[in-house]
This record gives sequence, C-alpha cells and structure tokens, in this order.
Amino acid sequence: DTGVSQDPRHKITKRGQNVTFRCDPISEHNRLYWYRQTLGQGPEFLTYFQNEAQLEKSRLLSDRFSAERPKGSFSTLEIQRTEQGDSAMYLCASSLLAVGDPEFFGPGTRLTVL
Amino acid sequence: AQTVTQSQPEMSVQEAETVTLSCTYDTSESNYYLFWYKQPPSRQMILVIRQEAYKQQNATENRFSVNFQKAAKSFSLKISDSQLGDTAMYFCAFGHSGAGSYQLTFGKGTKLSVIP
Repeated sequence: DTGVSQDPRHKITKRGQNVTFRCDPISEHNRLYWYRQTLGQGPEFLTYFQNEAQLEKSRLLSDRFSAERPKGSFSTLEIQRTEQGDSAMYLCASSLLAVGDPEFFGPGTRLTVL
Repeated sequence: AQTVTQSQPEMSVQEAETVTLSCTYDTSESNYYLFWYKQPPSRQMILVIRQEAYKQQNATENRFSVNFQKAAKSFSLKISDSQLGDTAMYFCAFGHSGAGSYQLTFGKGTKLSVIP
C-alpha cells in the first residue's frame, strides 16, 4: 500500500501527558499537512510543510503543539501537556507541489485525553 | 478569510436514485480550487472530485458531477445512480494559495445515507 499512513491509529492518554503522532506521506509528495477533526465537524487546518520547511501554522496550533518533518520525509506532531480539549482525530495529508494538487489523507490518529 | 457552508447536515436517497449536495463559499479571490471529499464511516477521507475555478466546464468523475456557479459562489455535487457504498460524510473544501502558503478550508459536512 503506497498511501498516507499514520501511527498510532488510537491513543488514550491522561491529561498533562505528552503524545507524539507520526505520519508517513506518499513518497513522491512534497507537501504534508496536519488537520484536526472533532465530532460533527470538517477538518481544521493546523500546519503544513513543503519538503522540510514548515510554511504555515494555524492560530489553532498553540505553543503546546509542535510539528517537524526532518529531511522532508515523515512528519511528527507532538502535543505537550495534553488537555481534554485536545481530544480529536488528527489527520495527515500529502500532495504534490503544484497549487491545487489534491491532498490525499491518511486514516488519522484518534486521541482521547482522560 | 474564506468560509465554506454546507447547509444540509443530513440527507438520504434511495439506491439507484440521484441526489445533490449543496455547498457555498465566500471568497474575494478569483483563482482557487474546489473539492469534494468523502469520508465513509470509520474510514479515511477520499477525494471525490476537483474543480479549478478558472475552468468553466463542470468536472465529472463517473457517477459524480459538479454544478459550479462561480458568480453565485456555489459548488454542488450530484451523485447519480446512488449505491450503498456512497453512504458517507461528504465535505466540500476550498483551496487557495496566497502569500506563499496554501491550505484547504472545509465545510462541516453532509451525512448521506443511501437506503436500499
């Protein structure tokens, strides 16, 4: 399977703990995106990378959130000091470089903060 | 800021019938992209169809077609010959590039149920 993969698929943690999610994009895709999706809502943009450079961050991305994409391959999203409001599905997507190229989504990581 | 509105939270359609899902958006940009994505229950988001705003011709993909009305800022999705596998959440999304960045803005979605 050569689609976007995410790990883990589910994560349950206690409030105050740190969590890290991984995304492996489609291999030839330069752009990588992170979204957050809560129940009954569409995905909300968090941040995106073009190769290894993080080009934009949403105001939704508080200072407890950090994302990296070393060497322009896989990406990690870390949430420090988790809060119950962080409970959501975290989606990763990737695309080719041209503006308007469609994004291909991974299966998501469902985070539950107790 | 761009906004995307899907006014139908839920819809249902009989198998083999046709259904249209509505989407409107608000933007001051002239060049942008519009997408419909499908999210089946407990499964990942899949691209259904894509439309470039500078193209007047409506996009089609097999049983899926769009009615793109640029002046009205409307982008509806028509599903013909509905199948049980079409049961899913459908999200309309707006894509725009500006100031070196690019991101998608999604609507809240329409839950479509195909009834046997």
